[in-house]
Amino acid sequence: GAVVSQHPSRVICKSGTSVKIECRSLDFQATTMFWYRQFPKKSLMLMATSNEGSKATYEQGVEKDKFLINHASLTLSTLTVTSAHPEDSSFYICSASSEADTQYFGPGTRLTVL
Amino acid sequence: GESVGLHLPTLSVQEGDNSIINCAYSNSASDYFIWYKQESGKGPQFIIDIRSNMDKRQGQRVTGLLNKTVKHLSLQIAATQPGDSAVYFCAENWYGATNKLIFGTGTLLAVQP
Repeated sequence: GAVVSQHPSRVICKSGTSVKIECRSLDFQATTMFWYRQFPKKSLMLMATSNEGSKATYEQGVEKDKFLINHASLTLSTLTVTSAHPEDSSFYICSASSEADTQYFGPGTRLTVL
Repeated sequence: GESVGLHLPTLSVQEGDNSIINCAYSNSASDYFIWYKQESGKGPQFIIDIRSNMDKRQGQRVTGLLNKTVKHLSLQIAATQPGDSAVYFCAENWYGATNKLIFGTGTLLAVQP
């Protein structure tokens, strides 16, 4: 149980384009989903927290107009990187949580912006 | 600010030995902690959690220890196997306006055959 999927697993795009990443909880309803960013050999940095049906809460320093988050259902959240630039290249990871505290993580999406 | 940190960035052990990964936390109000394992190119995998009303949480081959007096966490892995090689993160559940996890910097566990 507690499986979280992400799609795509890796994406390469041109600078200036937008990229959407999906996060799904496959076998449970996620009241809260989280989006993280991870640079090579570094820890996970929380970008934003989203609750189903409400606006995401962004961490300090994260541009909400740059990283659009939608949490339209209890099993799906999306992160859209708008007008992507090479510095946005990173490993993006989502996690999902039900009413309990534990977060279950997706496999991550490797974004490369050329 | 408050943070969770690790004492050892890299730990090298022989296959079959026991491993101990340590973590210090600074927020005395934290009452829930989780250990995650992350293999290269993959998302973190839940290993074990421990609440502040526990000193010890026993898993199949892993044990989580909590010392609230000195704000210290440990993850013990018995009979370490090559498949245990990964980066291990401790995380502190930060209660506030929204629940969120604060991750430590990570420890790379390298198991030598």
